[in-house]
Amino acid sequence: EVQLVESGGGLVKPGGSLRLSCAASGFRFSAHTMNWVRQAPGKGPEWIAGISSSGSDLYYADSVKGRFTISRDNAKNFLFLQMDNLRAEDTAVYYCARLTTDIQVYNWFDPWGQGTLVSVSS
Amino acid sequence: EIVLTQSPATLSLSPGETATLSCRASRSISRYLGWYQQKPGQAPRLLIYDASNRATGTPPRFSGSGSGTDFTLTISNLEPEDFAVYFCQQRADWPPYTFGQGTKLEIK
Repeated sequence: EVQLVESGGGLVKPGGSLRLSCAASGFRFSAHTMNWVRQAPGKGPEWIAGISSSGSDLYYADSVKGRFTISRDNAKNFLFLQMDNLRAEDTAVYYCARLTTDIQVYNWFDPWGQGTLVSVSS
Repeated sequence: EIVLTQSPATLSLSPGETATLSCRASRSISRYLGWYQQKPGQAPRLLIYDASNRATGTPPRFSGSGSGTDFTLTISNLEPEDFAVYFCQQRADWPPYTFGQGTKLEIK
């Protein structure tokens, strides 16, 4: 069974840092581009970062560029998100999501993890 | 950045009825549009990809259509488990991948 499990969320003060982790299992992790997608309360999802299968290509939304860093460990099947200089507007549930690679179902977010809540407040 | 606008924000229907949800893109995205279903406390789940293809496990009462800038998700003969929030998402021009703000399908 394909599974993604996030951890590392919590309450942090503005300007603080957090590191999120996503443990992947049930599929060939090293073959997939992986992503972080967040969802603020009552809002639609927002894609914030992606990393190619090898880790050589990184992509960021403007809202987090320069503050967040995505990385991966293909040997241990983990995805990470280092979040620095956090702001109140970063408060959201953070999901890791796999991009599909099948020729028929290509480049869609499937599946998603269950999410981890990040709250930024003083 | 491609902006996706969903309508209506909320749709109130009864089981057995047909739901029609709309997603409009700020510029043409060919057929590179997907639909996701999200239930309370859960992550979004891929329902439809490339405008009209059902993902694995998506019941046939769900159908997608459209191309260019206008897309529709139709849910026929609504079941109680279909009442949820639905998001559209484009993969035509990234980064960034973008999502709509969602349509909440609620029981009337």
